[in-house]
Amino acid sequence: DTEVTQTPKHLVMGMTNKKSLKCEQHMGHRAMYWYKQKAKKPPELMFVYSYEKLSINESVPSRFSPECPNSSLLNLHLHALQPEDSALYLCASSQERKGPRETQYFGPGTRLLVL
Amino acid sequence: AQSVTQLDSQVPVFEEAPVELRCNYSSSVSVYLFWYVQYPNQGLQLLLKYLSGSTLVKGINGFEAEFNKSQTSFHLRKPSVHISDTAEYFCAVSKNYGGSQGNLIFGKGTKLSVKP
Repeated sequence: DTEVTQTPKHLVMGMTNKKSLKCEQHMGHRAMYWYKQKAKKPPELMFVYSYEKLSINESVPSRFSPECPNSSLLNLHLHALQPEDSALYLCASSQERKGPRETQYFGPGTRLLVL
Repeated sequence: AQSVTQLDSQVPVFEEAPVELRCNYSSSVSVYLFWYVQYPNQGLQLLLKYLSGSTLVKGINGFEAEFNKSQTSFHLRKPSVHISDTAEYFCAVSKNYGGSQGNLIFGKGTKLSVKP
């Protein structure tokens, strides 16, 4: 099973709302990632978790708050977002053993629209 | 610093024709290169990767790529494309943070459009 699942598939929220994106994998991967992909652009890394600990934060604004409650789950909590935060949010996971040589497996993404 | 450049933003091609999608990289250290495909409204799927060894790498769906160190290139090829190959293709290099994680740095993507 090489599947990463993400919920919801689509999300519309106002600038004062609080919402969460969820990501799940059952491949035993110990590294999990959040990427942001604007329309017609490549994905850009936001956060990396390694063994449930945040290891990389690519200077993401605090209105995005990641959480890794266990080795299979990754959440992204959203609060007071701006319209320019509208994008496709991709989750990925990988093994840890070979670091940068490992394949990252991507979920289908959550398409977020901030009004 | 590591980066990748995809030279073509769009490549139109007729069905059953060969195609090459170009990717050049820059890196001062050992390089790990990947090609991912993104179908409309979907996530990314790995096509193939180069880690070391043979410079000709074969992937899924009939794609292959050749790692050329002297030209710092990792071009993707398919001898005969199908309508279903219409998608966005991303070349990526894996950046080593010095720990046990890697991070993918993507090129800007090439949109392959296969016409009947």
